[in-house]
Amino acid sequence: EVQLVESGGGLVQPGRSLRLSCAASGFTFGDHAMHWVRQAPGKGLEWVSAISWNSGNTGYAASVKGRFTVSRDNAKNSLYLQMNGLRADDTALYYCAKATGGWYGPSNYFDYWGQGTLVTVSS
Amino acid sequence: EIVMTQSSVTLSVSPGERATLSCRASQNINSNLAWYQQRPGQAPRLLIYGASTRATGIPARFSGSGSGTEFTLTISGLQSEDFAVYYCQQYNTWPPITFGQGTRLEIK
Repeated sequence: EVQLVESGGGLVQPGRSLRLSCAASGFTFGDHAMHWVRQAPGKGLEWVSAISWNSGNTGYAASVKGRFTVSRDNAKNSLYLQMNGLRADDTALYYCAKATGGWYGPSNYFDYWGQGTLVTVSS
Repeated sequence: EIVMTQSSVTLSVSPGERATLSCRASQNINSNLAWYQQRPGQAPRLLIYGASTRATGIPARFSGSGSGTEFTLTISGLQSEDFAVYYCQQYNTWPPITFGQGTRLEIK
């Protein structure tokens, strides 16, 4: 059974940092691109970041580029999101999501999602 | 950036009836479109990919169609568990991957 379990969320002051983690199991983690998608309270889905199967490619939404860094450790079946310079509009539930392919081709839709970890940015 | 527009914010349909949800892309995305269902308090669930292919375990009452810039998700014989929010997502040209704003399907 595929499982994605996010952790690391919490209440943080504006300008501070937070590191999210996503522990994966039930599939060959190293074969798949992984993504972060967030959802502000009561709002829709917003794609945040992605990393290819071998960490050779990454991508970011304009709203987080230069502040957030995605990484992965295939030996630990884990995905990470380092979030620096947090702002109030980063407040959201952050989901990790599994893509069906490694990066290239029409495979970056999400067949499995975690339950999310809540990040609240407030003073 | 490709903008995805879902024409209805809210759609009111009676149980047992058919719901038709629309999604438009600001430029050609071929058939690289997915649909997700999100129930309250839950993560999104993949329903359709490639515009018309049902994901594993998705009932046949869910169907998708379209290509290019116009797409439709049809739910036939609505059941109580189908009342939820639905999002379309394009993965043809990215980054960024983009979602529609969502359509809330409510009981009429």
